[in-house]
Formats: sequence, structure tokens, C-alpha cells
Amino acid sequence: RKEVEQDPGPFNVPEGATVAFNCTYSNSASQSFFWYRQDCRKEPKLLMSVYSSGNEDGRFTAQLNRASQYISLLIRDSKLSDSATYLCVVRRGNKLVFGAGTILRVKS
Amino acid sequence: DTAVSQTPKYLVTQMGNDKSIKCEQNLGHDTMYWYKQDSKKFLKIMFSYNNKELIINETVPNRFSPKSPDKAHLNLHINSLELGDSAVYFCASSQDYTEGETQYFGPGTRLLVL
Repeated sequence: RKEVEQDPGPFNVPEGATVAFNCTYSNSASQSFFWYRQDCRKEPKLLMSVYSSGNEDGRFTAQLNRASQYISLLIRDSKLSDSATYLCVVRRGNKLVFGAGTILRVKS
Repeated sequence: DTAVSQTPKYLVTQMGNDKSIKCEQNLGHDTMYWYKQDSKKFLKIMFSYNNKELIINETVPNRFSPKSPDKAHLNLHINSLELGDSAVYFCASSQDYTEGETQYFGPGTRLLVL
């Protein structure tokens, strides 16, 4: 079993849709949590950190459930420019552990 | 202004060759990393240096040898290249390696071993 699991998708959604991704992690010692975004043939970039209390950044909302060991990302009012791979990332010790990513395609 | 830069961007080479990838960051960060992203898109940590000192050394063949001449540079030398080494190699840096520090990635080096 991989340490960070994500549905690879792709999620194909129309512009303006709301889409949610989930991610589960297996190591309860994981300390902090992030969503990164990776465009095709580009480097990963931090989208947002994820806190137990939940946090929002514009159209993006992230949630963490430590008891169930899952992390979610909600994107409201999807834009064409949101098309990318979304990587769920957990920190364990001084290492980041990446999921394989969920592909989102937003279509007009 | 490129924060984390890597050279070369593309590298096509024959099995058995030795090659190096260079990485530089101009962010003043103390910690640098090498990651490998394979064809299944998993991004895995290979090495990390903090202030030129090795702090992470994952289970990587010893054909891979990182070198950090100063804290702004972390190079990766690969000996006796194999087909399975084909991947995208990303360099990254962060202010330090404590919890919560954001890692900034370079554009990647696409290595193809023939």
C-alpha cells in the first residue's frame, strides 16, 4: 500500500463546476499536509497547506481529518486554468511524501 | 529571476554513460533536495542537504552521488546509467528543513537513457 493514495482521475468537469478530491495517508506519524499543483511538463508548486481546522484560499478549500487520515481539496467555480494535476503531500519527519496526483480537466 | 534553476533541461544518453545535473538556487535557502519523478508520476525524495551537509539519503543506488559545493548548489552525478534511470529529476530548495517550510522546485531535467 502506498503511503499517500489518491484517485488518479481524470476528473473532467465543465467550467463553473465544483469538484472535490480526496487523499488518504497511511502513516499516523505524518505531521503536516499540503496540496501541490503540477501543470503538464512543469514543476510542482505549493497550492496550499492543510490545517485540521480547515482552511480556504479563494475558490479552494482544504480539509484534514486526522482520525480518518484523509485530506480533501474542494475547488469551486472551476476555471479552465485550474486544469492540472493536484498532488496530495504529507510531511513525515524532514521528508515530504507525495501522492501520484489527481488529474483535473476543466472544459468550456 | 529564476529562483531554482537546473541544467540541462533535457538529457538523452546511452546506457553505461556517466552524466551530471546541476542545480542552483538564488533564494538564500539552507536546504536543497533532489527528487525523481518516474513514468507513473510518483515524485520521490532521493537526497537532501542542509548547509552542505547530507540529511536525507533514501534507498538510492550508489551510482547516484550528490555533491553540494556550497549551500546554493546541489549537483547530482549518475554513473553507469541504466534504462530505469529515465525519469524527470527535480531539484528543490526550502529555507530550512523544519516543519512547515515550503519547498520550491526547479523546472526539472528530463533524462532519457537509451
